[in-house]
Amino acid sequence: QSALTQAASMSGSPGQSITISCTGPSSDVGDSKYVSWYQQHPGKAPKVLIYGVSNRPSGVSDRFSGSKSGNTASLTISGLQADDEATYYCSSYTSRNSWVFGGGTKVTVL
Amino acid sequence: EAQLVESGGGLVQPGGSLRLSCATSGFLFSSYEMGWVRQAPGKGLEWVSYIGTGGTTIYYADSVTGRFTISRDDAKNSLYLQMNSLRAEDTAVYYCARVRVYWYSVMDVWGQGTTVTVS
Repeated sequence: QSALTQAASMSGSPGQSITISCTGPSSDVGDSKYVSWYQQHPGKAPKVLIYGVSNRPSGVSDRFSGSKSGNTASLTISGLQADDEATYYCSSYTSRNSWVFGGGTKVTVL
Repeated sequence: EAQLVESGGGLVQPGGSLRLSCATSGFLFSSYEMGWVRQAPGKGLEWVSYIGTGGTTIYYADSVTGRFTISRDDAKNSLYLQMNSLRAEDTAVYYCARVRVYWYSVMDVWGQGTTVTVS
């Protein structure tokens, strides 16, 4: 089960928007609706932000949005806030009855 | 509010065994699929195992197949992970998670994790 590819780190200033990318094979990303995004603060459990590529669970801020183009899924954080400083993981439920995760992108708010 | 609480982690020697438990509350456990995800120190998330409702459908990551066994007890609202033949590379925080199959198989509720150290 190969991992999805994410940049190791990104940064932005408060109020800015950043986009985190997640690339994988067509079977896991490009042709899949099963892409999710999770936020994890240090020492805490992951929290789901996006499921089904672009759906947001109730209670998740609309500053978080998901999309996909080709074999790359993206998570955009708008109006960056201090509390957004965390590690973000993409994930996909695959046709091989397994879940794969990206390596995680650590976001720093400058 | 749905809650998951893991327990059973600890220090074990290579080749040893541990049984993790995940106690659930706030939702009808028997109606939900469940899974285990782990995170090695300083590393990313790695899916470990999945169990469907009724326990009839089970999947494992290649890295644990043949060594780990997932199970559930709907009467006790609990999920388990029996880990045998443990290796140093199994050292990680183990999270249980609820799987929403009809939400594109997202893991929507997570426990706080329990730490397993193989040394």
